[in-house]
Amino acid sequence: NAGVTQTPKFQVLKTGQSMTLQCAQDMNHNSMYWYRQDPGMGLRLIYYSASEGTTDKGEVPNGYNVSRLNKREFSLRLESAAPSQTSVYFCASSAGTSGYEQYFGPGTRLTVT
Amino acid sequence: GNSVTQMEGPVTLSEEAFLTINCTYTATGYPSLFWYVQYPGEGLQLLLKATKADDKGSNKGFEATYRKETTSFHLEKGSVQVSDSAVYFCALSGSSSNTGKLIFGQGTTLQVKP
Repeated sequence: NAGVTQTPKFQVLKTGQSMTLQCAQDMNHNSMYWYRQDPGMGLRLIYYSASEGTTDKGEVPNGYNVSRLNKREFSLRLESAAPSQTSVYFCASSAGTSGYEQYFGPGTRLTVT
Repeated sequence: GNSVTQMEGPVTLSEEAFLTINCTYTATGYPSLFWYVQYPGEGLQLLLKATKADDKGSNKGFEATYRKETTSFHLEKGSVQVSDSAVYFCALSGSSSNTGKLIFGQGTTLQVKP
């Protein structure tokens, strides 16, 4: 059982370049999330999709866009990368909303130079 | 708004010592509370959860009790092992939310020495 998978695991970008982080889950979960993790700040929500066909902004959405491609896949796009977006990015999914635990992918470590 | 505050780390203990990591929260209504663990180089894993007041979550020797009167969800383990070295995150999911968004504390690093 793969759970939540993310690609790539590592990426180095130059300022201004674009890229898409891919996330897929095989647990038939309705809700999916993108977080970033920075030292001393815990995880902060970038965007989420409560159900297929819907997406909403989280705490730190600026500079990002998302696509809920289908129930399984939720991608995060950086249109013009900036050094402030250097971080570790985690995708997560959950069966529902209130009270349900989230399952996390292994993360993507992104460095923007 | 909702928030979670954890004790600052790092916490350094000897093997077999007693562990407490404090977590307090601010939220309206009756949130669900979680502890997640992150081992080096890995994603977060759910350690335990509690969904209503006075519930006790437990897993792998770790325990935490949902205390609404003190708005706390402290993590405890009676005897830690070197393999418990990791970063621990307290989190809540608001009861009034229909999105399932998690609010995380800043994380507490635990280092257990042999």
